[in-house]
Amino acid sequence: EPEVTQTPSHQVTQMGQEVILRCVPISNHLYFYWYRQILGQKVEFLVSFYNNEISEKSEIFDDQFSVERPDGSNFTLKIRSTKLEDSAMYFCASSASIGQGGYTFGSGTRLTVV
Amino acid sequence: SQQGEEDPQALSIQEGENATMNCSYKTSINNLQWYRQNSGRGLVHLILIRSNEREKHSGRLRVTLDTSKKSSSLLITASRAADTASYFCATDAGNNRLAFGKGNQVVVIP
Repeated sequence: EPEVTQTPSHQVTQMGQEVILRCVPISNHLYFYWYRQILGQKVEFLVSFYNNEISEKSEIFDDQFSVERPDGSNFTLKIRSTKLEDSAMYFCASSASIGQGGYTFGSGTRLTVV
Repeated sequence: SQQGEEDPQALSIQEGENATMNCSYKTSINNLQWYRQNSGRGLVHLILIRSNEREKHSGRLRVTLDTSKKSSSLLITASRAADTASYFCATDAGNNRLAFGKGNQVVVIP
């Protein structure tokens, strides 16, 4: 079964450093997403991406965050200057359409900011 | 506004029993989805029910949706130890984002 692949599975970074989280969505999917889950809390929407541009973003997704699809397969989330409160599990997801089917999520990257 | 709020239950049941969990939401939706998350792992899509559907089955899963009450339930029949996980509902309002609830922890005792 097709999978969404995320790397790395766990990243530890110093506060203030830049991190890039990587994702390979399912190849024939058109919509890509990032969500995050702070330990013990809800899964929160960050951003959706379609046709090489952001289609929706939440209030969490401020100027410190950016997304990119640098080639035909990768989808990345960059956090420019990490804060302690950015520590969370970050999930990438993709879907073939909007509102018609479920999303396929990756296994997540656990980001720890120290 | 918060959408996809499950009853914040932690269920502990014996293998073979049924597990039921509920979810309520506040605004109009296109569909409602249920996901499972094993400890420290990703979210696995279980089932999607559209706003014009009232009930849906998938294997041992049964989902109901009551749009008048803005609520949904997930029933897992004949539970197995492997069903031990957290279960989340998520609403899709057609705005290209899912709103997740807090999740229900289900423990199935062999």
